[in-house]
Amino acid sequence: GAVVSQHPSRVICKSGTSVKIECRSLDFQATTMFWYRQFPKQSLMLMATSNEGSKATYEQGVEKDKFLINHASLTLSTLTVTSAHPEDSSFYICSATVGRSTEAFFGQGTRLTVV
Amino acid sequence: QQPVQSPQAVILREGEDAVINCSSSKALYSVHWYRQKHGEAPVFLMILLKGGEQKGHDKISASFNEKKQQSSLYLTASQLSYSGTYFCGTPRGNTGFQKLVFGTGTRLLVSP
Repeated sequence: GAVVSQHPSRVICKSGTSVKIECRSLDFQATTMFWYRQFPKQSLMLMATSNEGSKATYEQGVEKDKFLINHASLTLSTLTVTSAHPEDSSFYICSATVGRSTEAFFGQGTRLTVV
Repeated sequence: QQPVQSPQAVILREGEDAVINCSSSKALYSVHWYRQKHGEAPVFLMILLKGGEQKGHDKISASFNEKKQQSSLYLTASQLSYSGTYFCGTPRGNTGFQKLVFGTGTRLLVSP
């Protein structure tokens, strides 16, 4: 299957700082990627759709100025959590599909802890 | 609207069977099933695309009742490796398969 790589897998940052998470499609081009957030013992919640070459679209309730998404190439989308606070601590996961494939391929996830 | 899964959690002994249900208040165009181990990304199990469709591999199978807006995942002769949290997912609207809305999740623990 297709491979989606996410980096870093874990990050600890101080409150008020920004953190960038990368999501790469290694063996295919992804014009669209998706970012999810998962709090402990909860389901994955879609945050935003990352579109190559255009602005991301955010789900209701997700602050676009806080969660900056950049999709500058067909293989890379980045999520930057700006001015992070402890309540932003979560598991962030990206996904992508290959062409008209029905299966979503997920990155390994990033565990963000804000202290 | 997030699909609701039942049960929320289930504990099995190795070799026992389990059924996980996924119900939606909105029309389901397709249903995806994933399993997630703690601290890891979800792993794809299968997709059901048509009402009435049933699929399976090894001892894991699923059915999709489009009219009832429900899907069920069947785990037979469970193995220790089946432990994890199972999520159903459905695309938002009928615009493709990519933007998934995940169900509430079912935690499964298989003990020796």
